[in-house]
Amino acid sequence: EVRLVESGGALTQPGGSLRLSCVASGFTFSSFDMHWVRQAPGQALEWVSALGGGGDTYYSDSVKGRFTISRENAKNSLFLQMDSLRAGDTAVYFCVRGNYYDSGRGLIDAFDFWGRGTMLTVSS
Amino acid sequence: DIQMTQSPSSLSASVGDRVTITCRASQSISKFLNWYQHKSGEAPRLLISAASNLQGGVPARFTGRGAGTDFTLTISSLQPEDFATYYCQQSLNSYTFGQGTRLEIK
Repeated sequence: EVRLVESGGALTQPGGSLRLSCVASGFTFSSFDMHWVRQAPGQALEWVSALGGGGDTYYSDSVKGRFTISRENAKNSLFLQMDSLRAGDTAVYFCVRGNYYDSGRGLIDAFDFWGRGTMLTVSS
Repeated sequence: DIQMTQSPSSLSASVGDRVTITCRASQSISKFLNWYQHKSGEAPRLLISAASNLQGGVPARFTGRGAGTDFTLTISSLQPEDFATYYCQQSLNSYTFGQGTRLEIK
């Protein structure tokens, strides 16, 4: 059974830093792209960052230069280092596995397993 | 950036009803469109990938259609466990979600 369990969410002040963690189980972690997706209170889902199995990293414009995604395959763990936090970063952060599916015209990626999320609140 | 617009934003329906949710992309995304179900406090669930491919374990009452800019998710006969928020997502260029459709019990 695939499981993704996030931790590290907290209340922190604007300008502060925090590191989120995600522990994965039930699959070969190193073989999959991993993502962070967030949901601000009452808002839609928002993709934040991705880390490919080969080490390529990607960020949304809203967090680029402030957040750093990383992984430790030996510990089946994904991380999100968040610096220069803003009130707008307040959200539930989900750890997500990416996978590829055949569309008939090529491969399409989708997010096939999600954790339950960890809450970050940025407030003074 | 590719914008995704869902309609309606909320929907009230009864068990047994047939409902359709629409998702429109701001530019053509071929079939790079996925649908998710999210119940508050739970992990979101991938229902459909590549516009119309039902994920394993998802009931056949869920159907996805469309290509290009216009897509639909239809639930043929609502069950109590289907009341949730549904999101479309494009994965052609980065990833963008629609604003969600909240499906409530009438």
